[in-house]
Amino acid sequence: GDSVTQMEGPVTLSEEAFLTINCTYTATGYPSLFWYVQYPGEGLQLLLKATKADDKGSNKGFEATYRKETTSFHLEKGSVQVSDSAVYFCALSDVGKTSYDKVIFGPGTSLSVIP
Amino acid sequence: NAGVMQNPRHLVRRRGQEARLRCSPMKGHSHVYWYRQLPEEGLKFMVYLQKENIIDESGMPKERFSAEFPKEGPSILRIQQVVRGDSAAYFCASSPRREYNEQFFGPGTRLTVL
Repeated sequence: GDSVTQMEGPVTLSEEAFLTINCTYTATGYPSLFWYVQYPGEGLQLLLKATKADDKGSNKGFEATYRKETTSFHLEKGSVQVSDSAVYFCALSDVGKTSYDKVIFGPGTSLSVIP
Repeated sequence: NAGVMQNPRHLVRRRGQEARLRCSPMKGHSHVYWYRQLPEEGLKFMVYLQKENIIDESGMPKERFSAEFPKEGPSILRIQQVVRGDSAAYFCASSPRREYNEQFFGPGTRLTVL
């Protein structure tokens, strides 16, 4: 079945460092891909998304490009801030497979940014 | 323009009691999804409901768990005779239609079973 794999955390970076969180997926159809962020004690917020191959999603300085050839959707940010400390979830939604948006999440990667 | 609302935010139950979690979707949304997040794990799909219908409950444990989304009122996730392993964060999400491509999440209910 469909699945999402993320790099294991926790990841600890200094402020202004470059961030990459790897995400790869397995899907038989043509999924949409998402990154969600969960701040401590809160629910999930959609950070960015891409719905087809070569699309680039971006928001708040974060970017991810839908790479069909490598089945990847890596999250990047050029200069992280302390306020970016959170858990990041990669996810996919394959409407064609289920006829509705059943979202499958990766296990999450915890990011801590220190001053 | 309220988002998805869940209550209570925190719920403490003793083993054997019932837990009832509520979710009010965003205005105009008639599709509701429940997810469970166990400590140190990602979110796992539990059930997908439309008004008065359960569409997919493949992620729900077969016993003690049930969900409903009545014509009027919030969606309810009910856990009977809770056990310690039910301690988790339960998230609800909603979307306006079946193939909307994005779900909007509530803040979650954190259930602690003593």
